[in-house]
Amino acid sequence: AQTVTQSQPEMSVQEAETVTLSCTYDTSESDYYLFWYKQPPSRQMILVIRQEAYKQQNATENRFSVNFQKAAKSFSLKISDSQLGDAAMYFCAYRQGAQKLVFGQGTRLTINP
Amino acid sequence: EAGVVQSPRYKIIEKKQPVAFWCNPISGHNTLYWYLQNLGQGPELLIRYENEEAVDDSQLPKDRFSAERLKGVDSTLKIQPAELGDSAVYLCASGRGRTDTQYFGPGTRLTVL
Repeated sequence: AQTVTQSQPEMSVQEAETVTLSCTYDTSESDYYLFWYKQPPSRQMILVIRQEAYKQQNATENRFSVNFQKAAKSFSLKISDSQLGDAAMYFCAYRQGAQKLVFGQGTRLTINP
Repeated sequence: EAGVVQSPRYKIIEKKQPVAFWCNPISGHNTLYWYLQNLGQGPELLIRYENEEAVDDSQLPKDRFSAERLKGVDSTLKIQPAELGDSAVYLCASGRGRTDTQYFGPGTRLTVL
């Protein structure tokens, strides 16, 4: 079974600085999707960024970018120029084809002003 | 475009009582998901619908949980009877198809006393 591991339960960063959240996954498949979702306190989960495994180029969405290392099964999220509104739980997730999303345990990110 | 709507947002009940949660997906989204999110953890899939058909309900505790999606639009998730361990957030998500990005609702936080 596929598993997703986020080894950092909590992270903190100073406002305007850069932070990287780690994620590793286990799969024997070659074609799959990876996601980072953000869940602010008491608010709904929203998609931050998505990566298709067949694409070598790392996905980027404004201040958010990923470092996708397929051979190492690693999928880290980099947040540049951190803002107070970035404070949230961040979940890494894996999906193979039309199968279910498998989520990691989450990383709680705190932004220090 | 309106997002996924869920109600109620919060529910407190006594154990052994029944409870129901309602979800209205984004218009045009054929695929609907119900997830269970325990405190401090990532969501876990309970059931997935393709239109009105439940295509993956392997994680749904069928002795006390039931779900329906009449007419392939709105969906209801029911627990009867509720147990203390059912206290969690119940998330609904939808997508255009089974390989599309999933968009989440705000969730229903259930507390069983």
